[in-house]
Amino acid sequence: GESVGLHLPTLSVQEGDNSIINCAYSNSASDYFIWYKQESGKGPQFIIDIRSNMDKRQGQRVTVLLNKTVKHLSLQIAATQPGDSAVYFCAENKVDSSYKLIFGSGTRLLVRP
Amino acid sequence: DGGITQSPKYLFRKEGQNVTLSCEQNLNHDAMYWYRQDPGQGLRLIYYSQIVNDFQKGDIAEGYSVSREKKESFPLTVTSAQKNPTAFYLCASSIAGGYVEQFFGPGTRLTVL
Repeated sequence: GESVGLHLPTLSVQEGDNSIINCAYSNSASDYFIWYKQESGKGPQFIIDIRSNMDKRQGQRVTVLLNKTVKHLSLQIAATQPGDSAVYFCAENKVDSSYKLIFGSGTRLLVRP
Repeated sequence: DGGITQSPKYLFRKEGQNVTLSCEQNLNHDAMYWYRQDPGQGLRLIYYSQIVNDFQKGDIAEGYSVSREKKESFPLTVTSAQKNPTAFYLCASSIAGGYVEQFFGPGTRLTVL
């Protein structure tokens, strides 16, 4: 399992700027990498996923980049808005008999007005 | 409206008592999941079910039990054997096992006194 502290890493950005949230993953055999957003007191919400044979995928205002060489995943949010303030989790999934999502510890995004 | 409901939102129990958390979905999803989230940490999988009358242990199943008698319902029982039950519990569902887009309920915050 993962060992994490009580304090999440925090990214503070100015409203309107672009945000980049990073994640290091551990399992080279994962088939999918996923980003979830969790607002305070709520359940996580799916944002976007990327298959392991891709390097980049774009959604609405978001882009996910996958660098398999260094096992690094990033989420870019364009023109960050106050509603983007939340904790962002990366997750990985290997489509085998277990069908489990393995979640990272999260990064808190704070958007300054 | 389609979605996942969890009840209650807040739950207090005395140490040594079993408690059952409710999870219902009307999305017609085959797969359902229970996660535990501790402060400042990611989600850890307790149990998951890919189909009615079948369920599998996740990474932290000790002290928990589940049932899946109906497609729309996946209740979680936190037993007295769970040594540290105070946490935020999240239920999720997906169209089928292996789908990385999981839909989460609002969560139940359990506090054991």
